[in-house]
Amino acid sequence: EIVLTQSPGTLSLSPGERATLSCRASQSVSSNYLAWYQQKPGQAPRLLIYGTSSRATGIPDRFSGSGSGTDFTLTISRLEPEDFAVYYCQQYGSSLYTFGQGTKLEIK
Amino acid sequence: QVQLQESGPGLVKPSGTLSLTCAVSGGSISSSNWWSWVRQPPGKGLEWIGEIYHSATTNYNPSLKSRVTISVDKSKNQFSLKLSSVTAADTAVYYCAREGGGNSASFDYWGQGTLVTVSS
Repeated sequence: EIVLTQSPGTLSLSPGERATLSCRASQSVSSNYLAWYQQKPGQAPRLLIYGTSSRATGIPDRFSGSGSGTDFTLTISRLEPEDFAVYYCQQYGSSLYTFGQGTKLEIK
Repeated sequence: QVQLQESGPGLVKPSGTLSLTCAVSGGSISSSNWWSWVRQPPGKGLEWIGEIYHSATTNYNPSLKSRVTISVDKSKNQFSLKLSSVTAADTAVYYCAREGGGNSASFDYWGQGTLVTVSS
């Protein structure tokens, strides 16, 4: 099973700043199979990025994904007030989906 | 616009069986998508439980495989989850979700989730 480790656990930033979230895998992940989600309290996760760098339908272009192999990054170029939430990475391999433990993005 | 809606008991007794159904609207469960269950214990992260295709082919998380059954009812456009021998550790919000298709290996539509508590 591929284990995903996200860092930092909590990121404190101000609106307008740039956010960089990391997801590291215990073994190589196909770039086709790495996704990112945003989750707000009391809501279901929302797909942001799939295939490492493809934005899902309706996702603003301030969200971008990059990476390969075992190291992947979600970048939010300029934080809006609605972006403060928990973010999860997810991978698929060997007929199994696994998620990272999440990064909480909070207002500084 | 595809919509998913979970339903089922919110309280299950220890050693019992958790049963949930996910109704799909705005799209067909017979489309070229896999359909999954994902759970989230209170205050914790996400765990994939398993998936089903309309042909009834399934894949399960090995950590839960011995206790999980996922089935599909094409006539009702819905799929279901059964988790047996539950304990307090199975208390969680249970989500149903659609895998996006086209080899995306990600979940593009989610239900709103339903909290299931295991307690006597």
